[in-house]
Amino acid sequence: AQKVTQAQTEISVVEKEDVTLDCVYETRDTTYYLFWYKQPPSGELVFLIRRNSFDEQNEISGRYSWNFQKSTSSFNFTITASQVVDSAVYFCALSEARYSSASKIIFGSGTRLSIRP
Amino acid sequence: NAGVTQTPKFQVLKTGQSMTLQCAQDMNHNSMYWYRQDPGMGLRLIYYSASEGTTDKGEVPNGYNVSRLNKREFSLRLESAAPSQTSVYFCASSEWTGGKDTQYFGPGTRLTVL
Repeated sequence: AQKVTQAQTEISVVEKEDVTLDCVYETRDTTYYLFWYKQPPSGELVFLIRRNSFDEQNEISGRYSWNFQKSTSSFNFTITASQVVDSAVYFCALSEARYSSASKIIFGSGTRLSIRP
Repeated sequence: NAGVTQTPKFQVLKTGQSMTLQCAQDMNHNSMYWYRQDPGMGLRLIYYSASEGTTDKGEVPNGYNVSRLNKREFSLRLESAAPSQTSVYFCASSEWTGGKDTQYFGPGTRLTVL
C-alpha cells in the first residue's frame, strides 16, 4: 500500500540556518510522482514541486532544493539560509500513475517549520 | 484567474444540521477533489470527480455526498453533521495527465460542528 511518512512533526530553527525536511514513501508502483506543498499560517496550500520516479536529479530553486533518492525511498526538502517567511507546514505527497482517470494523492502528516528571528 | 474558490470560508453547525460546501474552478480542469484536514493527519481524500458526470469515493467518504454540477463546480454535502466532521475542508482541481497532474487547492472552509 502507498504511504508517506514525515517523521518530523515540528522543527524550529533560527533564521539563516539551513533546515532539511524528511519524507519517506512507500509504493508498489514503478511509476509515481512526488510532491511538496507549503501551507503558510494563512491556511492555503501552495504547490512547490513535482518529481517523477524516473528522474532522480536533484533540483534547486533559489533557496529551496530537493533530494530524491529511489534507493532509500526518500524525497527530502532543504531550505538554505531560512527566513521567517518560510515558517509554514510542509506536506510531502505521493501520486501513483496506475489510476486511469484522476490522480489520487496521498499526503504525509506534515512538518511544522518555525523560523525564529 | 481566480483559480479554485470555495464558499463559505467559515461555518458553525449544530449536530444534525445539513449544509453544502461549494467549490468552483476556472482553470478548465477535468478532475476535482474534496479533502479534509485534521490536526496531525495531513489531508485525506473524501470524494473525487475524474470528469463531469462521474464521482468516486476516496479514503473517508462516510457521512458525505457530492455533486459534480458541471465542469466548473463540485459541491460537498453533509446531510446530518456530526462533531467528528469538524475539520478544514479543501477543494482541489487538476488536469488529468496520467498521474503527474498537479492539484491546485482552494483556500479551504473551516467547519465546526457543535
